Amino acid sequence: QKEVEQDPGPLSVPEGAIVSLNCTYSNSAFQYFMWYRQYSRKGPELLMYTYSSGNKEDGRFTAQVDKSSKYISLFIRDSQPSDSATYLCAMSDGGATNKLIFGTGTLLAVQP
Amino acid sequence: EAQVTQNPRYLITVTGKKLTVTCSQNMNHEYMSWYRQDPGLGLRQIYYSMNVEVTDKGDVPEGYKVSRKEKRNFPLILESPSPNQTSLYFCASSLGWGRSSYNEQFFGPGTRLTVL
Repeated sequence: QKEVEQDPGPLSVPEGAIVSLNCTYSNSAFQYFMWYRQYSRKGPELLMYTYSSGNKEDGRFTAQVDKSSKYISLFIRDSQPSDSATYLCAMSDGGATNKLIFGTGTLLAVQP
Repeated sequence: EAQVTQNPRYLITVTGKKLTVTCSQNMNHEYMSWYRQDPGLGLRQIYYSMNVEVTDKGDVPEGYKVSRKEKRNFPLILESPSPNQTSLYFCASSLGWGRSSYNEQFFGPGTRLTVL
């Protein structure tokens, strides 16, 4: 079983829809939770960063972490065609290796 | 502009021919790391470095070497590339590790390597 599971999609939504992306994990030591956005032929771009449980909002993006359920989510409101990309969840235990464990990514297409 | 740069962006080579992928960051970051990205497997850490002259293995270090002689540079070396090292490679850096916000990792644009 992978440490981090993420539905690969693809997910196709109409412009303006609310998008929900999710990851589950098995390692209870994870404390830092990130969402990266990766456009085709580009490097991952840090979108949201959360420490421990709770919610964080940044513009149209909201990240939620539920450590009791080992479940994290990213919500995108009023989705735009420019949001079309692969979304990667990543987690870290904050230790000295600083290693990120990634989900395999969800491919999102927002249709105009 | 704060960034992580990698060169080359694309490389096709043959089995056994030594190659180096360079990585450089201009953010004065202590921590640097290499990942490879493969379909269905996601990104996996190859090597990391916590500071100059301090490097250690990640999850998939076999067939790779690194060095950290300067703070800004962290090259990835494939002494004898094999076809199973065909992949998309990313260099990443962060201010530090452990403390919240210190461990935010920023990624380079990637190097697509094909080994024939």
